[in-house]
Amino acid sequence: EAEVAQSPRYKITEKSQAVAFWCDPISGHATLYWYRQILGQGPELLVQFQDESVVDDSQLPKDRFSAERLKGVDSTLKIQPAELGDSAMYLCASSPSAGLRTDTQYFGPGTRLTVL
Amino acid sequence: DAKTTQPPSMDCAEGRAANLPCNHSTISGNEYVYWYRQIHSQGPQYIIHGLKNNETNEMASLIITEDRKSSTLILPHATLRDTAVYYCIARPTGAQKLVFGQGTRLTINP
Repeated sequence: EAEVAQSPRYKITEKSQAVAFWCDPISGHATLYWYRQILGQGPELLVQFQDESVVDDSQLPKDRFSAERLKGVDSTLKIQPAELGDSAMYLCASSPSAGLRTDTQYFGPGTRLTVL
Repeated sequence: DAKTTQPPSMDCAEGRAANLPCNHSTISGNEYVYWYRQIHSQGPQYIIHGLKNNETNEMASLIITEDRKSSTLILPHATLRDTAVYYCIARPTGAQKLVFGQGTRLTINP
């Protein structure tokens, strides 16, 4: 069964350092999502791509976070500089195509970030 | 998106049916009910979704009341591996993001 791949699974960094997370969606999925999940809470959307274009980044802290999906396949989420409050699980999800009546999202295993 | 309400925690004995309730009294006609679960330290896993009719797949059954104001996720024979946080989400047709609440922490006891 096809899966969403993410790396690394765990990342420990010091505040003010730069970190990057990678996501490879299920093959053929046009829509890619990055969510952040703070411990004890549900995931919250950071950014959504349709192919290579950003369609929703309203909750992305753009002063320090950036995301790209240059060829419309895999994606990178970057934080620079990292702050203590960025400690969380970063989840990537993909779906065949946004706008369908029902468009199921499939999640990767996540990257657990700890900022010291 | 309609707000959903779930009990914060539930317990169920292994081998019994686990029935997880969800209230979505303000759901609108174009909103689907989705269920995901999240096992500790893993990404959310899709379980099932429905609009009006009851649905069943290899993982679970979804029972939606006729007025669509509430639903129940049924795991027919719960195992220890079903211990997880279960999220009920009301999502409009063609909507983009999933809006997660706090979910129900289900513990299956041996």
